[in-house]
Amino acid sequence: KAGVTQTPRYLIKTRGQQVTLSCSPISGHRSVSWYQQTPGQGLQFLFEYFSETQRNKGNFPGRFSGRQFSNSRSEMNVSTLELGDSALYLCASSLGHSNQPQHFGDGTRLSIL
Amino acid sequence: KQEVTQIPAALSVPEGENLVLNCSFTDSAIYNLQWFRQDPGKGLTSLLLIQSSQREQTSGRLNASLDKSSGRSTLYIAASQPGDSATYLCAVSRGNQGGKLIFGQGTELSVKP
Repeated sequence: KAGVTQTPRYLIKTRGQQVTLSCSPISGHRSVSWYQQTPGQGLQFLFEYFSETQRNKGNFPGRFSGRQFSNSRSEMNVSTLELGDSALYLCASSLGHSNQPQHFGDGTRLSIL
Repeated sequence: KQEVTQIPAALSVPEGENLVLNCSFTDSAIYNLQWFRQDPGKGLTSLLLIQSSQREQTSGRLNASLDKSSGRSTLYIAASQPGDSATYLCAVSRGNQGGKLIFGQGTELSVKP
């Protein structure tokens, strides 16, 4: 069974640009969550999508947005990039029930110059 | 506001030693607690998930316990091996926010041959 796939693995952007990251969940999983990981703040929750609807949202500015498609694949978009957005962005999928574990992809490493 | 703390931040042990990693959380109203490991440059691998109604879970050389009343969880690793070297993270979730995990900062474990 294929795991969670995130593309691309690495991205380099400049300030002010925008970026779109992609996440393909494990087959059959309907929930996709996104996290930002930085050395200073650790892992922070961005948002969760379930059946194409945003179910939970973290405390990030509106520049961070996402969506989920009917096949459960999800995209995350960050507009007007700032230096502080440099991070490892991780996606996790699950069946969507609170008693089920989340399974993570290897992440997208985003560097802002 | 839920806060998760992991102590120590780093731990170095000789191969073969049994060890305990600690995780504490401030709000006992959790639905479950999950332990992960993260290898450098990689995503998170789910190790164990403990439901709030459970006291412990075991998988191979790993045993995780949960004491909701005191806000603590421990991850016990028996007969440690160099391949166990990684960062170990604990995360808690609330029942109505299944996709939202709140993470500790992790314990970086090094097992010396």
